[in-house]
Amino acid sequence: DTGVSQDPRHKITKRGQNVTFRCDPISEHNRLYWYRQTLGQGPEFLTYFQNEAQLEKSRLLSDRFSAERPKGSFSTLEIQRTEQGDSAMYLCASRWTGDTEAFFGQGTRLTVV
Amino acid sequence: QKEVEQNSGPLSVPEGAIASLNCTYSDRGSQSFFWYRQYSGKSPELIMFIYSNGDKEDGRFTAQLNKASQYVSLLIRDSQPSDSATYLCAVTLSGYQKVTFGTGTKLQVIP
Repeated sequence: DTGVSQDPRHKITKRGQNVTFRCDPISEHNRLYWYRQTLGQGPEFLTYFQNEAQLEKSRLLSDRFSAERPKGSFSTLEIQRTEQGDSAMYLCASRWTGDTEAFFGQGTRLTVV
Repeated sequence: QKEVEQNSGPLSVPEGAIASLNCTYSDRGSQSFFWYRQYSGKSPELIMFIYSNGDKEDGRFTAQLNKASQYVSLLIRDSQPSDSATYLCAVTLSGYQKVTFGTGTKLQVIP
């Protein structure tokens, strides 16, 4: 499977715990995006990498959220001290340089109880 | 004003009819426009992209772009029940590489 891969697909955690998600983009794609989507809403931009550089981070993202892409390949998104409002689908997408379409992974559904 | 706006719907059309989905965007410098389809509980999948003014057709789908009016639309001909999904409009804004999405329009095709 050469598509975007996300792990885990589902995560249930208790409020206050830390969680980490992983995204493996399509191998030749240098741009990687993280989005958050809640029910009835479109994907909300969180952050974006070009290779290993994090070029943009949403103002909506609190300091509890951090993302890395250490070698310009896979990326991780960590949420510290989770809150119930963090419950959402976390989507990763990748695309190649230029005005090309972004391809999405299957997402990680986070439930904070 | 939201960067990308869509009517949330639901838009209901009978099977075999034409479904028309609309999207407006706020940044005049926007360069690339995408339509994604999202089934409930699934991730978005690309249907069409368009860069230039005018129409672009792919099978039953036609994307239309009018940069002067800052408007992009998606027409689905011969709508099928399997087309029932949420359709997301996405835009690449000028000077940035992030892809910004609208809230989506839910389409229901009635058999």
